[in-house]
Amino acid sequence: NAGVTQTPKFQVLKTGQSMTLQCAQDMNHEYMSWYRQDPGMGLRLIHYSVGAGITDQGEVPNGYNVSRSTTEDFPLRLLSAAPSQTSVYFCASSFTGNYGYTFGSGTRLTVV
Amino acid sequence: RKEVEQDPGPFNVPEGATVAFNCTYSNSASQSFFWYRQDCRKEPKLLMSVYSSGNEDGRFTAQLNRASQYISLLIRDSKLSDSATYLCVVNKYSGGGADGLTFGKGTHLIIQP
Repeated sequence: NAGVTQTPKFQVLKTGQSMTLQCAQDMNHEYMSWYRQDPGMGLRLIHYSVGAGITDQGEVPNGYNVSRSTTEDFPLRLLSAAPSQTSVYFCASSFTGNYGYTFGSGTRLTVV
Repeated sequence: RKEVEQDPGPFNVPEGATVAFNCTYSNSASQSFFWYRQDCRKEPKLLMSVYSSGNEDGRFTAQLNRASQYISLLIRDSKLSDSATYLCVVNKYSGGGADGLTFGKGTHLIIQP
């Protein structure tokens, strides 16, 4: 099993560019979520989904969009990249919210 | 008040010692509790879930006190490989289901030979 796969692993963007961070899981998990990790801030929830077609905002949703058209995929879109979005992004999935989440290996994004 | 608070450390502990971490959470709607381990520049990995009855996994023991909104992790006979950042994590629920995880900033543990 691949678990949770995130692509790309590294990305450099210019301010104002848009891009999509990909996240896919092969464990048939209903719950998926995106987090960003910044030094001194810990991991913060961006968006989450409790199943295909259902998404909601987390703590820091501004500047990001998500959609969940399939159980397997939960892409995160940066609409117009800003230097403040320089961070490490983690995608995670869980069978239900009661169980621990499995994390992908992360995407390191730099916006210049 | 932060939702999940932890002492950032670092905790410098000799190999073989016992070390304990604590964490407090502020949201009484929190319903699931976890300890995660994160190595430098890696993704968080689930160490163990935490239950009110207390639970043990080898050298690791976790405890939840819902009345005090307090979570603990005890590591016995610490190994060099236990050096990492330990994240206290809670999952709260609203009417629609689980709302995603809320993380503490982590406690940095260094095991010294």
